[in-house]
Amino acid sequence: QKEVEQDPGPLSVPEGAIVSLNCTYSNSAFQYFMWYRQYSRKGPELLMYTYSSGNKEDGRFTAQVDKSSKYISLFIRDSQPSDSATYLCAMSAGNRGSTLGRLYFGRGTQLTVWP
Amino acid sequence: NAGVTQTPKFQVLKTGQSMTLQCAQDMNHNSMYWYRQDPGMGLRLIYYSASEGTTDKGEVPNGYNVSRLNKREFSLRLESAAPSQTSVYFCASSLQGYGYTFGSGTRLTVV
Repeated sequence: QKEVEQDPGPLSVPEGAIVSLNCTYSNSAFQYFMWYRQYSRKGPELLMYTYSSGNKEDGRFTAQVDKSSKYISLFIRDSQPSDSATYLCAMSAGNRGSTLGRLYFGRGTQLTVWP
Repeated sequence: NAGVTQTPKFQVLKTGQSMTLQCAQDMNHNSMYWYRQDPGMGLRLIYYSASEGTTDKGEVPNGYNVSRLNKREFSLRLESAAPSQTSVYFCASSLQGYGYTFGSGTRLTVV
């Protein structure tokens, strides 16, 4: 079993829809949770960063972490064609243990928002 | 504000040839990483360097070697390229995992 599981999609929604992207994980030591966005032929860029459980909101984006269920989500409200990209979840145990903050990535979900 | 710079951006190699992918960061980050990205496989860690002077294998190290030349630079070497190494390679850096900054990638084709 991979450390981080993410449905690769693809996911296709109309403009204005609410998008929900999810990941599950198995390592209870993870405490830092991130979402990266990757446009075609570009490197991933950090979109959202959350420590431990709870919600974090940034404009149209909301990240949720439920450590008891080992489940994280990214919601995109009022989705736009410019949101079309691959979204990768990532997580880390921080400086605990021998991993020294190494990130573990999901495989990414490909999202298309059509006008 | 260059961030993470990778060279070259594109490369075509013949089977058996060698090459070195270069990566440099200007953010004073301690940790650096090399990933490959293939369709349907996501990002797979090849090697990483938690700090200057140390390197460790990731998930898919076979066929690769790395050098952490100094705090800024982390290179990836393919000694004898194989078609299975056709991929997009990304270098990243971080302050020990608190968010990675990625380079723009190197598209490598081995024929």
